[in-house]
Amino acid sequence: DAEITQSPRHKITETGRQVTLACHQTWNHNNMFWYRQDLGHGLRLIHYSYGVQDTNKGEVSDGYSVSRSNTEDLPLTLESAASSQTSVYFCASSENGGAGELFFGEGSRLTVL
Amino acid sequence: AQSVTQPDIHITVSEGASLELRCNYSYGATPYLFWYVQSPGQGLQLLLKYFSGDTLVQGIKGFEAEFKRSQSSFNLRKPSVHWSDAAEYFCAVLKGNKLVFGAGTILRVKS
Repeated sequence: DAEITQSPRHKITETGRQVTLACHQTWNHNNMFWYRQDLGHGLRLIHYSYGVQDTNKGEVSDGYSVSRSNTEDLPLTLESAASSQTSVYFCASSENGGAGELFFGEGSRLTVL
Repeated sequence: AQSVTQPDIHITVSEGASLELRCNYSYGATPYLFWYVQSPGQGLQLLLKYFSGDTLVQGIKGFEAEFKRSQSSFNLRKPSVHWSDAAEYFCAVLKGNKLVFGAGTILRVKS
């Protein structure tokens, strides 16, 4: 069955370190998204991509970057982790014309000390 | 700019009781609206969606939602709640190919 997987599921890091969260989907979806989830804020969009070599900033993109070198993967990088980036991160994908139905990974819990 | 408001952060209902979770949206055109559910430690799963047509939409797990343009609402309902329905529920509106989510409502079910 097609799926979307995130790794690592849990990570603890220190302020200032670079961190990369992986996202891999086997749906063959063109659209991929990274959200962060924080209590009281719901899910906020960090970055998104509509296809290979395409990346776009979401509403909370500062301090994050993504790259899309193939259809399956959209890694999220925190260039210099900050305590404010402690959160649960969700990757999601959707197909073109999929009318908004997102398929989510199980999340990556990141703690920045 | 469109946004989604879920006025209730937490709701507690007794098992077997009816449920209504509120969602209000702000959007300049006919909205595409969604409800997602998140079980503890899991990603989000689509419950139902509204694009057009019948304003009462049926979803999975016995949920339904009614679109009311006059009230800018898309409330989620279930006639009889089960303990397994305890989760966090998110309303969302589609903006282009992106979803904008509300802050979520945590549902607790007491036996």
